[in-house]
Amino acid sequence: AQRVTQPEKLLSVFKGAPVELKCNYSYSGSPELFWYVQYSRQRLQLLLRHISRESIKGFTADLNKGETSFHLKKPFAQEEDSAMYYCALSGYNNDMRFGAGTRLTVKP
Amino acid sequence: ETGVTQTPRHLVMGMTNKKSLKCEQHLGHNAMYWYKQSAKKPLELMFVYSLEERVENNSVPSRFSPECPNSSHLFLHLHTLQPEDSALYLCASSLSAERGNTIYFGEGSWLTVV
Repeated sequence: AQRVTQPEKLLSVFKGAPVELKCNYSYSGSPELFWYVQYSRQRLQLLLRHISRESIKGFTADLNKGETSFHLKKPFAQEEDSAMYYCALSGYNNDMRFGAGTRLTVKP
Repeated sequence: ETGVTQTPRHLVMGMTNKKSLKCEQHLGHNAMYWYKQSAKKPLELMFVYSLEERVENNSVPSRFSPECPNSSHLFLHLHTLQPEDSALYLCASSLSAERGNTIYFGEGSWLTVV
């Protein structure tokens, strides 16, 4: 079965602190994983995808097949990072399954 | 206008009404999607269209009826809905329905069933 789990509904850190948003997945094949972000009053948008191995806005995510994880990390959080973050897994027919989301709040 | 646009942004309908949600994408994509987002559940995929052909129906009740007349337009026809169908309905598109394609979302249509 294709499933994405984000164990934390809420995460709060102080500005400048490291942040890690957890994502675990279940998929029988080779996974295609994404992180999407939704800022206040904006549409859901792509943050990064594992296949690109890129860093966007200081965020990175590494696929760990052994632990079936795709955690999102940033070494120094900024206030503008406050948003809702969704981990997603693409399946057959690009059937994108989303986790429940984690609301990140970065306090000044 | 570019991107994925949805109309109306807000809709209130009675349980016996018939209404439609409209989605248009200006990205030249060949795949379109309907998602449902409610307070109690994660984003749920409803339908996938590839080149105007429905390729996935994620066990959605028949009171939701999608239509894709061409690769740029997608509709969701609604009739005899229930109050629990109140949610944010998101339209999205991608270059193709091949696995791993980035999905681009519209701003959503807020639906309230009374």
